[in-house]
Amino acid sequence: QKEVEQDPGPLSVPEGAIVSLNCTYSNSAFQYFMWYRQYSRKGPELLMYTYSSGNKEDGRFTAQVDKSSKYISLFIRDSQPSDSATYLCAMGGGGTSYGKLTFGQGTILTVHP
Amino acid sequence: DSGVTQTPKHLITATGQRVTLRCSPRSGDLSVYWYQQSLDQGLQFLIQYYNGEERAKGNILERFSAQQFPDLHSELNLSSLELGDSALYFCASSAEPTTGGQYFGPGTRLTVT
Repeated sequence: QKEVEQDPGPLSVPEGAIVSLNCTYSNSAFQYFMWYRQYSRKGPELLMYTYSSGNKEDGRFTAQVDKSSKYISLFIRDSQPSDSATYLCAMGGGGTSYGKLTFGQGTILTVHP
Repeated sequence: DSGVTQTPKHLITATGQRVTLRCSPRSGDLSVYWYQQSLDQGLQFLIQYYNGEERAKGNILERFSAQQFPDLHSELNLSSLELGDSALYFCASSAEPTTGGQYFGPGTRLTVT
């Protein structure tokens, strides 16, 4: 079993839709959680960083963490064609490899006009 | 633009050869991380340096080595290259080990023929 599980999709939605992306994890030592957006063969771009359970909002993006269920989500409101990309969840912390990030496999999102 | 730079962008080399990938972190960042991204394995953590010292190690092959120099730039050395080493190699940086998230560079695409 992988430490981080992410539905690879692909996910296709119409412009303006609310998108929900999810990851589950098994390592209870994870302390911080991030979401990245990656356009084809480009470097991952940091979208959200959170350290605690609960919600964090930034513009059209909301990150949600539920440590008790080992479940994190990213919501995208009013999705745009420019949001079409691969979304990666990442988490880390705890133990001797505090800086190491463990990534999900990524969800491919397409927003069509 | 994340502020992290990587050179070269592309590298094509033959099996058995040795290559060096270079990374300059964002101004002020002390931590540098290296990741490998392949189609079948996703993004995998290789190694982390903090202010010149190795801080964490992932499943990095013995044929691979890295270092961080006094000016904080980092180099990843890959030797005795195999076809399976073909991948995207990303460098990321952060101010403190993961405080506020890791910022990725554009990557180096390595093709081993």
